[in-house]
Amino acid sequence: GAVVSQHPSRVICKSGTSVKIECRSLDFQATTMFWYRQFPKQSLMLMATSNEGSKATYEQGVEKDKFLINHASLTLSTLTVTSAHPEDSSFYICSAMVIRDPAGVSYNEQFFGPGTRLTVL
Amino acid sequence: GIQVEQSPPDLILQEGANSTLRCNFSDSVNNLQWFHQNPWGQLINLFYIPSGTKQNGRLSATTVATERYSLLYISSSQTTDSGVYFCAAVRYSTLTFGKGTMLLVSP
Repeated sequence: GAVVSQHPSRVICKSGTSVKIECRSLDFQATTMFWYRQFPKQSLMLMATSNEGSKATYEQGVEKDKFLINHASLTLSTLTVTSAHPEDSSFYICSAMVIRDPAGVSYNEQFFGPGTRLTVL
Repeated sequence: GIQVEQSPPDLILQEGANSTLRCNFSDSVNNLQWFHQNPWGQLINLFYIPSGTKQNGRLSATTVATERYSLLYISSSQTTDSGVYFCAAVRYSTLTFGKGTMLLVSP
């Protein structure tokens, strides 16, 4: 269980165009999803937290008008990179949070999608 | 925010060798996760371990929350274990990642 998919896996676009990345939880419902960015040989940096039915919460330094996030259903969140530029080229990874409740104890675990490699020419 | 440090940054092993990866975190956390990022970029959940010890096959993890560190043990390493190992401190559902340990297991 806890499978997360992303589409597309790879995209190449021209500077100035917009790109939409989809993140889906396949076998569970996720009220909360997260979007990360990873540069080569670096760690993952949280960009924003996406909550179903409400506005996303962006981390400091992340432009919300440039990285539009929509979480319209319990299984789908989308990230749209608007007016992409070469510096937006990166590996974008989403995750979905599973809320487990064994024996009455709640805890959260994040499961990650396979990532989307964006190259802006 | 929480600082997460991993060591060593790089590790080269001969197939069959054992290794220990360390993760230190600067503040109290709700939980601690270990991941393996394969060469294609997929993050694979290894352990969700707020405290104590868990084992899964050749891998095991121990978190000592009171001392703010976690250890990942890899025994009898295989070439397929190669990749980057990340730990992430969990606080109020937010993950803060360390910089990772890049592991190369040679045949």
